[in-house]
Amino acid sequence: QVQLQESGPGLVKPSGTLSLTCAVSGGSISISSWWSWVRQPPGKGLEWIGEIYHSGSTNYQPSLKSRLTISVDKSKNQFSLKLDSVTAADTALYYCARKIYDYPYYFDYWGRGTLVTVSS
Amino acid sequence: DIQMTQSPSSLSAFVGDRVTITCRTSQSISNYLNWYQHKPGKAPKLLIYAASSLQSGVPSRFSGSGSGTDFTLTISSLQADDSATYYCHQSYSTATFGGGTKLEIK
Repeated sequence: QVQLQESGPGLVKPSGTLSLTCAVSGGSISISSWWSWVRQPPGKGLEWIGEIYHSGSTNYQPSLKSRLTISVDKSKNQFSLKLDSVTAADTALYYCARKIYDYPYYFDYWGRGTLVTVSS
Repeated sequence: DIQMTQSPSSLSAFVGDRVTITCRTSQSISNYLNWYQHKPGKAPKLLIYAASSLQSGVPSRFSGSGSGTDFTLTISSLQADDSATYYCHQSYSTATFGGGTKLEIK
């Protein structure tokens, strides 16, 4: 059973960098899957942030692309998110998830999420 | 982006009731539509993929239907454990999600 666990600071200052890691257990990160980040601002819906394949190929949400970096560390079986120049609008519950590689591209495993607050 | 309109945003029903949640997309997505169940503090759970395929291990009281722009999630006989928020998700293009339906048990 694949399990995903998010970790990282719960509080980030405005204009700072939000950094999160997702540890994958129960399976290899090097399988044919997209490793993804999704967030949910308080009181709002889910927003897909971006994804990475174990080869390093990435896809990003266009509105976040200029501030976003997703990377993978196969030796540690984990992947990470970095979001620069954060504002209060980036306050959200951040989830990591696995998306299958091929049609119909659903998210079959998710982490429980980690709350990140942007505040001084 | 493809817009998702999910309704209702909340509903309350009795154990044993038949419950239906709908999701409408702003353009045709064939059957690239998935449904998730989310309980507070837990990981979201995949229920239905490709509009109508039941994920392994999910009770058969859950079913999905639709194609094109109109989709439905049905719970045939509501159980107390089904209290959760339900989301639709289109995977036809850049992923977007419905606004969620909060389901409460009366």
